[in-house]
Amino acid sequence: KQEVTQIPAALSVPEGENLVLNCSFTDSAIYNLQWFRQDPGKGLTSLLLIQSSQREQTSGRLNASLDKSSGRSTLYIAASQPGDSATYLCAVQSGGSYIPTFGRGTSLIVHP
Amino acid sequence: DAMVIQNPRYQVTQFGKPVTLSCSQTLNHNVMYWYQQKSSQAPKLLFHYYDKDFNNEADTPDNFQSRRPNTSFCFLDIRSPGLGDAAMYLCATSRDNRGGAKNIQYFGAGTRLSVL
Repeated sequence: KQEVTQIPAALSVPEGENLVLNCSFTDSAIYNLQWFRQDPGKGLTSLLLIQSSQREQTSGRLNASLDKSSGRSTLYIAASQPGDSATYLCAVQSGGSYIPTFGRGTSLIVHP
Repeated sequence: DAMVIQNPRYQVTQFGKPVTLSCSQTLNHNVMYWYQQKSSQAPKLLFHYYDKDFNNEADTPDNFQSRRPNTSFCFLDIRSPGLGDAAMYLCATSRDNRGGAKNIQYFGAGTRLSVL
């Protein structure tokens, strides 16, 4: 059974810092990995999807990398802003059912 | 424009009183999912539809039911809500449920359910 872990659970940084959020998974036979953002009391917004054949994806100040062999993905946020404050979740799609398995998320606060 | 719409955004119900949550989509996606999310936890999949084919997760309580009358709409029925069912309920869609870009999930804003 696939298990997804996100470290750290919470992170507080000053505005302008570059930061890295981590996602690890136990079964490396994945189809894809998706990063989401969730604002308090809201649904999830897809940020990036990395296919199993890809090593990274970029969108604006966000860069997500994937290392299947080690069971890890990182989300890099450059020049963080207070508007980046949210919970970031990763979800891994694997196995015959193709149903994504979610991590618990990293709660990020960027203070001015 | 919102592509996955959940109604209502907030729902308050009484212990044991049936409640229905609604989800609609304008994406014409084949797959619709219902998740339950409690505070600081990962979304937990309750069930999903691939077209009209219903797929229930093994640990989803019988108290939770779902209907998908057409491609656009999907409902979550909680027959006898308990205090432990208070949570955020998230609806999501994807074009397909196979690997790759077709399985990008699009989420609605969620319905926050309170049980008194």
